[in-house]
Amino acid sequence: DGGITQSPKYLFRKEGQNVTLSCEQNLNHDAMYWYRQDPGQGLRLIYYSQIVNDFQKGDIAEGYSVSREKKESFPLTVTSAQKNPTAFYLCASSVTGGAGNEAFFGQGTRLTVV
Amino acid sequence: KQEVTQIPAALSVPEGENLVLNCSFTDSAIYNLQWFRQDPGKGLTSLLLIQSSQREQTSGRLNASLDKSSGRSTLYIAASQPGDSATYLCAVRPLSRGSQGNLIFGKGTKLSVKP
Repeated sequence: DGGITQSPKYLFRKEGQNVTLSCEQNLNHDAMYWYRQDPGQGLRLIYYSQIVNDFQKGDIAEGYSVSREKKESFPLTVTSAQKNPTAFYLCASSVTGGAGNEAFFGQGTRLTVV
Repeated sequence: KQEVTQIPAALSVPEGENLVLNCSFTDSAIYNLQWFRQDPGKGLTSLLLIQSSQREQTSGRLNASLDKSSGRSTLYIAASQPGDSATYLCAVRPLSRGSQGNLIFGKGTKLSVKP
Protein backbone atom coordinates (compact mmCIF):
# COMPACT_ATOMS: atom_id res chain seq x y z
CA ASP A 1 0.00 0.00 0.00
CA GLY A 2 1.50 3.35 -1.05
CA GLY A 3 1.27 6.21 1.37
CA ILE A 4 2.72 8.36 4.10
CA THR A 5 3.29 6.98 7.58
CA GLN A 6 3.69 9.22 10.59
CA SER A 7 4.70 7.93 13.99
CA PRO A 8 3.96 8.00 16.78
CA LYS A 9 0.28 8.96 16.69
CA TYR A 10 0.53 10.56 20.14
CA LEU A 11 3.65 11.99 21.76
CA PHE A 12 4.21 13.58 25.13
CA ARG A 13 7.12 15.90 25.80
CA LYS A 14 8.47 17.20 29.05
CA GLU A 15 9.65 20.78 29.39
CA GLY A 16 13.18 21.20 28.00
CA GLN A 17 13.15 17.93 26.09
CA ASN A 18 13.77 17.40 22.38
CA VAL A 19 11.48 14.98 20.56
CA THR A 20 11.53 13.63 17.01
CA LEU A 21 8.48 12.93 14.84
CA SER A 22 8.86 10.37 12.10
CA CYS A 23 7.55 10.67 8.54
CA GLU A 24 8.11 7.98 5.92
CA GLN A 25 6.69 7.76 2.38
CA ASN A 26 6.80 5.01 -0.23
CA LEU A 27 5.29 7.08 -3.05
CA ASN A 28 8.70 7.89 -4.57
CA HIS A 29 7.96 11.59 -4.11
CA ASP A 30 10.79 14.13 -4.22
CA ALA A 31 9.13 16.86 -2.15
CA MET A 32 8.18 16.51 1.51
CA TYR A 33 6.67 18.98 3.96
CA TRP A 34 5.89 19.48 7.64
CA TYR A 35 2.85 21.49 8.72
CA ARG A 36 1.56 22.46 12.12
CA GLN A 37 -2.18 22.68 12.86
CA ASP A 38 -3.62 24.58 15.81
CA PRO A 39 -7.34 24.89 16.68
CA GLY A 40 -9.02 27.68 14.73
CA GLN A 41 -6.00 28.23 12.50
CA GLY A 42 -5.08 27.02 9.06
CA LEU A 43 -2.14 24.71 8.51
CA ARG A 44 1.19 26.50 8.75
CA LEU A 45 4.37 25.36 7.00
CA ILE A 46 7.34 24.52 9.23
CA TYR A 47 9.93 23.07 6.82
CA TYR A 48 9.98 21.61 3.33
CA SER A 49 12.42 19.64 1.23
CA GLN A 50 12.49 19.43 -2.56
CA ILE A 51 15.31 16.91 -2.78
CA VAL A 52 17.54 14.71 -0.64
CA ASN A 53 20.09 16.61 1.49
CA ASP A 54 18.32 19.91 0.96
CA PHE A 55 15.57 21.61 2.94
CA GLN A 56 14.18 25.10 3.47
CA LYS A 57 12.52 26.95 6.32
CA GLY A 58 8.82 27.60 6.14
CA ASP A 59 6.80 30.28 7.91
CA ILE A 60 7.29 29.01 11.48
CA ALA A 61 10.66 27.18 11.54
CA GLU A 62 11.94 28.59 14.84
CA GLY A 63 12.40 25.86 17.44
CA TYR A 64 12.27 23.05 14.87
CA SER A 65 14.89 21.14 12.87
CA VAL A 66 14.74 18.57 10.08
CA SER A 67 16.97 16.28 8.05
CA ARG A 68 16.55 14.65 4.64
CA GLU A 69 19.17 11.92 4.34
CA LYS A 70 16.91 9.56 2.38
CA LYS A 71 14.23 10.26 -0.19
CA GLU A 72 11.68 8.28 1.83
CA SER A 73 12.24 9.95 5.19
CA PHE A 74 11.82 13.47 6.56
CA PRO A 75 11.97 13.49 10.39
CA LEU A 76 11.06 16.60 12.37
CA THR A 77 12.72 17.42 15.70
CA VAL A 78 10.90 19.71 18.09
CA THR A 79 13.59 21.31 20.23
CA SER A 80 13.40 22.87 23.66
CA ALA A 81 13.60 26.25 21.93
CA GLN A 82 10.02 25.82 20.66
CA LYS A 83 8.04 27.58 23.36
CA ASN A 84 4.57 26.35 22.46
CA PRO A 85 4.95 22.92 20.85
CA THR A 86 1.55 21.46 21.74
CA ALA A 87 -0.16 20.98 18.36
CA PHE A 88 -1.12 18.50 15.66
CA TYR A 89 1.74 17.89 13.20
CA LEU A 90 1.14 16.79 9.64
CA CYS A 91 3.62 15.51 7.11
CA ALA A 92 2.94 15.67 3.36
CA SER A 93 4.61 14.79 0.09
CA SER A 94 4.23 15.50 -3.61
CA VAL A 95 6.03 14.52 -6.81
CA THR A 96 7.72 17.93 -6.94
CA GLY A 97 7.18 21.18 -5.10
CA GLY A 98 5.57 23.05 -7.96
CA ALA A 99 4.08 22.41 -11.38
CA GLY A 100 0.64 21.47 -10.15
CA ASN A 101 1.34 18.28 -8.30
CA GLU A 102 -1.16 16.77 -5.88
CA ALA A 103 -0.15 16.71 -2.21
CA PHE A 104 -0.78 13.71 0.02
CA PHE A 105 -0.82 13.76 3.81
CA GLY A 106 -0.09 11.38 6.63
CA GLN A 107 -2.41 10.74 9.59
CA GLY A 108 -0.65 13.18 11.88
CA THR A 109 1.11 13.19 15.25
CA ARG A 110 -0.45 14.92 18.23
CA LEU A 111 2.25 16.38 20.48
CA THR A 112 1.46 17.44 24.03
CA VAL A 113 3.76 19.11 26.52
CA VAL A 114 3.36 17.71 30.03
CA LYS B 1 0.95 37.68 0.22
CA GLN B 2 -1.49 34.94 -0.74
CA GLU B 3 -4.43 34.52 1.63
CA VAL B 4 -7.13 31.86 1.49
CA THR B 5 -10.55 32.34 3.06
CA GLN B 6 -13.30 29.79 3.54
CA ILE B 7 -16.88 30.75 4.25
CA PRO B 8 -18.84 29.65 6.19
CA ALA B 9 -16.67 28.42 9.07
CA ALA B 10 -19.38 25.90 10.01
CA LEU B 11 -22.44 24.52 8.26
CA SER B 12 -25.20 22.18 9.42
CA VAL B 13 -27.61 20.64 6.91
CA PRO B 14 -30.20 17.83 6.87
CA GLU B 15 -29.34 14.63 5.09
CA GLY B 16 -30.05 14.63 1.36
CA GLU B 17 -29.49 18.32 0.82
CA ASN B 18 -27.19 19.60 -1.91
CA LEU B 19 -24.65 22.09 -0.58
CA VAL B 20 -21.85 24.42 -1.64
CA LEU B 21 -18.67 25.27 0.22
CA ASN B 22 -16.80 28.41 -0.74
CA CYS B 23 -13.10 29.22 -0.99
CA SER B 24 -11.54 32.52 -2.06
CA PHE B 25 -7.91 33.48 -2.61
CA THR B 26 -6.27 36.85 -3.07
CA ASP B 27 -3.63 36.14 -5.75
CA SER B 28 -4.63 34.42 -8.99
CA ALA B 29 -1.05 33.33 -9.75
CA ILE B 30 -1.44 29.69 -8.74
CA TYR B 31 -0.42 26.28 -10.06
CA ASN B 32 -3.52 24.58 -8.73
CA LEU B 33 -6.16 24.42 -6.01
CA GLN B 34 -6.80 21.35 -3.91
CA TRP B 35 -9.76 20.38 -1.71
CA PHE B 36 -9.19 18.15 1.31
CA ARG B 37 -11.35 16.44 3.89
CA GLN B 38 -10.26 16.10 7.52
CA ASP B 39 -12.01 13.92 10.07
CA PRO B 40 -11.50 14.72 13.79
CA GLY B 41 -8.01 13.81 14.95
CA LYS B 42 -7.01 12.53 11.52
CA GLY B 43 -4.85 13.62 8.63
CA LEU B 44 -5.99 15.23 5.39
CA THR B 45 -7.54 13.23 2.58
CA SER B 46 -7.26 14.71 -0.89
CA LEU B 47 -10.64 15.05 -2.58
CA LEU B 48 -10.07 16.99 -5.77
CA LEU B 49 -7.19 18.77 -7.49
CA ILE B 50 -7.93 21.48 -10.07
CA GLN B 51 -5.09 22.71 -12.23
CA SER B 52 -4.97 26.44 -13.01
CA SER B 53 -5.95 25.77 -16.63
CA GLN B 54 -9.07 23.79 -15.62
CA ARG B 55 -12.53 25.03 -14.72
CA GLU B 56 -13.81 22.05 -12.74
CA GLN B 57 -13.20 18.52 -11.53
CA THR B 58 -15.68 15.84 -10.52
CA SER B 59 -15.43 12.78 -8.33
CA GLY B 60 -18.62 10.90 -7.49
CA ARG B 61 -20.97 13.26 -5.63
CA LEU B 62 -18.30 15.98 -5.46
CA ASN B 63 -17.74 18.73 -7.98
CA ALA B 64 -15.17 21.49 -7.58
CA SER B 65 -15.01 24.58 -9.74
CA LEU B 66 -12.28 27.16 -10.17
CA ASP B 67 -12.58 30.75 -11.34
CA LYS B 68 -8.98 31.92 -11.20
CA SER B 69 -9.64 35.45 -12.42
CA SER B 70 -12.04 36.16 -9.56
CA GLY B 71 -10.05 34.13 -7.02
CA ARG B 72 -12.86 31.71 -6.18
CA SER B 73 -13.50 28.03 -5.92
CA THR B 74 -16.58 26.11 -4.84
CA LEU B 75 -17.00 22.53 -3.69
CA TYR B 76 -20.45 21.16 -4.48
CA ILE B 77 -21.64 18.10 -2.56
CA ALA B 78 -24.73 16.41 -3.96
CA ALA B 79 -27.22 14.46 -1.86
CA SER B 80 -25.30 14.90 1.38
CA GLN B 81 -24.98 12.00 3.83
CA PRO B 82 -24.07 11.84 7.54
CA GLY B 83 -20.76 10.28 6.49
CA ASP B 84 -19.87 13.55 4.75
CA SER B 85 -19.58 15.23 8.15
CA ALA B 86 -16.01 16.51 8.43
CA THR B 87 -13.94 19.64 8.03
CA TYR B 88 -13.26 20.61 4.42
CA LEU B 89 -10.06 22.48 3.64
CA CYS B 90 -9.13 24.41 0.55
CA ALA B 91 -5.49 25.05 -0.39
CA VAL B 92 -3.74 26.83 -3.26
CA ARG B 93 -0.23 26.26 -4.58
CA PRO B 94 1.23 29.68 -5.49
CA LEU B 95 3.38 30.29 -8.57
CA SER B 96 5.73 32.70 -6.80
CA ARG B 97 9.36 31.59 -6.62
CA GLY B 98 9.79 32.45 -2.98
CA SER B 99 7.12 30.02 -1.85
CA GLN B 100 8.58 27.11 -3.83
CA GLY B 101 5.03 26.20 -4.64
CA ASN B 102 4.03 25.30 -1.09
CA LEU B 103 0.37 24.99 -0.21
CA ILE B 104 -1.45 27.89 1.43
CA PHE B 105 -4.49 26.73 3.41
CA GLY B 106 -7.79 28.22 4.45
CA LYS B 107 -9.09 27.57 7.96
CA GLY B 108 -11.73 25.16 6.75
CA THR B 109 -15.49 24.69 6.83
CA LYS B 110 -16.81 22.27 9.43
CA LEU B 111 -19.74 20.41 7.92
CA SER B 112 -22.35 18.51 9.91
CA VAL B 113 -24.98 16.46 8.07
CA LYS B 114 -27.89 15.50 10.29
CA PRO B 115 -29.75 12.20 9.73
